[in-house]
Amino acid sequence: GIQVEQSPPDLILQEGANSTLRCNFSDSVNNLQWFHQNPWGQLINLFYIPSGTKQNGRLSATTVATERYSLLYISSSQTTDSGVYFCAVESAPLVFGKGTRLSVIA
Amino acid sequence: EPEVTQTPSHQVTQMGQEVILRCVPISNHLYFYWYRQILGQKVEFLVSFYNNEISEKSEIFDDQFSVERPDGSNFTLKIRSTKLEDSAMYFCASSGWPEELFFGSGTQLSVL
Repeated sequence: GIQVEQSPPDLILQEGANSTLRCNFSDSVNNLQWFHQNPWGQLINLFYIPSGTKQNGRLSATTVATERYSLLYISSSQTTDSGVYFCAVESAPLVFGKGTRLSVIA
Repeated sequence: EPEVTQTPSHQVTQMGQEVILRCVPISNHLYFYWYRQILGQKVEFLVSFYNNEISEKSEIFDDQFSVERPDGSNFTLKIRSTKLEDSAMYFCASSGWPEELFFGSGTQLSVL
């Protein structure tokens, strides 16, 4: 089946710093989503982005489908950004990576 | 904004007991899913459901698991005889024509 690799596995940031999270996948996909799992375990949709670039406030994402990777940018990080960020790709069904655990410290 | 609703939020059960986890998907969605996440691990696919039948299932989804859409709004996951290793967060999700999946808040299942 399709492989999804996320990097880095762990990231510690000072509040206000910027970061880039990466997701590589091993095959062509129909769907790519980024999620934030908050400390209560909820999976919050960030982006549905099978290709191209999207922005939502301090977050943006780019997927280059032909090169099989996606990037999630977090600018001016806040403590509320802490949690685990998952990339998930669909080659029927949606397959999750192992996530990047982000800790933003004040 | 429409959302996927799961009940209960927490369920504690004894090993060998049956549990039913309930979900109300977003109303105009056609595809329904169950995923699980063992503590500290990644989110794993269990089963997808479309047009009143299972469309795909993983190796995890063995004979002790079953899904049902008993009426027009609910989607359930039944675990017939729970084991300790079934302890996990179980997420329900739904989508329209294969596209963005939306997840519920999860049911934390603890098997003692």
